Amino acid sequence: DTGVSQDPRHKITKRGQNVTFRCDPISEHNRLYWYRQTLGQGPEFLTYFQNEAQLEKSRLLSDRFSAERPKGSFSTLEIQRTEQGDSAMYLCASSLAGVTDTQYFGPGTRLTVL
Amino acid sequence: QKEVEQNSGPLSVPEGAIASLNCTYSDRGSQSFFWYRQYSGKSPELIMSIYSNGDKEDGRFTAQLNKASQYVSLLIRDSQPSDSATYLCAVMLQDDKIIFGKGTRLHILP
Repeated sequence: DTGVSQDPRHKITKRGQNVTFRCDPISEHNRLYWYRQTLGQGPEFLTYFQNEAQLEKSRLLSDRFSAERPKGSFSTLEIQRTEQGDSAMYLCASSLAGVTDTQYFGPGTRLTVL
Repeated sequence: QKEVEQNSGPLSVPEGAIASLNCTYSDRGSQSFFWYRQYSGKSPELIMSIYSNGDKEDGRFTAQLNKASQYVSLLIRDSQPSDSATYLCAVMLQDDKIIFGKGTRLHILP
């Protein structure tokens, strides 16, 4: 257990529904990253935050995806109007920027869109 | 487009031998490099980080960095069946974004 938690661990939804995932980072970590991983691929960068500021969002990410990190603590990732191609493992990682930059990953949320 | 390249494998290594995993990256300004291990269905777990040219050893693992060649490697000595996993190379870009390679699948043969 790295200290990063994600909820839910599994989510099955129907195409067109909205889903929201939550990540709770290690408490003192100021950076939080979201990645998406499909079978046989490495984690694909989605977005990251420094405290509450969203510093970058992947150009590959459609406007159906949005992420927030209110008050620089937990973060949420919302996918609107889900598509079957959104089925993947969604990983959250946190780090302490400027110290080691080492990321610690949560267990992930596996999304299945039917 | 900044990239991290890894041979997808599978790399098969006899138990007790040395496994050598390689990674190249395109962002010449990158300063931080990481190796993660990922078992099937699990999230990545950190093995080592390396920031300076040369070798860094931690138990059976040695990370090697050559910034001039934009090359990072991971050596696993005395390979064990429990080392069978996918190994991910990660690089922190100049804008502090961390990106990953596709991973190398390692299979240790008993």
